[in-house]
Amino acid sequence: EAQLVESGGGLVKPGESLRLSCAASGFDFSIYTVTWVRQAPGKGLEWVSCISSSDSYIYYADSVKGRFTISRDNAKNSLYLQMNGLGAEDTAVYYCARVEGGVRGYLNMWGQGTLVTVSS
Amino acid sequence: DIQMTQSPSTLSASVGDRITITCRASQSISGWLAWYQQKPGKAPKILIYKASSLESGVPSRFSGSGSGTEFSLTISSLQPDDFATYYCQQYKTYLGTFGQGTKVEIK
Repeated sequence: EAQLVESGGGLVKPGESLRLSCAASGFDFSIYTVTWVRQAPGKGLEWVSCISSSDSYIYYADSVKGRFTISRDNAKNSLYLQMNGLGAEDTAVYYCARVEGGVRGYLNMWGQGTLVTVSS
Repeated sequence: DIQMTQSPSTLSASVGDRITITCRASQSISGWLAWYQQKPGKAPKILIYKASSLESGVPSRFSGSGSGTEFSLTISSLQPDDFATYYCQQYKTYLGTFGQGTKVEIK
């Protein structure tokens, strides 16, 4: 069964860092653009960052540019999000998702999410 | 940036009702629109892509229509499992923006 499984969330203090991981299985991870989408408590969905299959294209939302870094390891079927300088506004459930159609596509597979809480 | 506006924000309906949710884009996105369903505590699930294409495994009571700037999601006969929040998403641009969501609740 094809799936995405996130890990690495937790409680951190403002200004600290956290690294999220997403493990893919059951499909050819290396040919897909993958992405991070977050959802603050009780709020809507926000596309955070995406990375194309061969790292050629990487995009960030303005809200995280300069603080977050997306990366992938196709040999390990894994996606990562390094988050630095975290603030309360980054508190959210972070989902990894597979993009159908390249960097401009829709999300046809989602992980279960990992919760990041930024609080002193 | 392309803004996506859904209406209504909340919709109260009964089992068996036909409901329609509208999504408006701030500029033309052709047919590059997807619809997702999200239940509390769960990840979103794709329902419709390219404005009107039904994702495999999604019940046929769901349908999508529209192009340019006006789109809609219709559920022909609401089922108990359909009470959830629905989001539209444009993917004409990278990091495609989502609508703010429409919560479908039991009347």
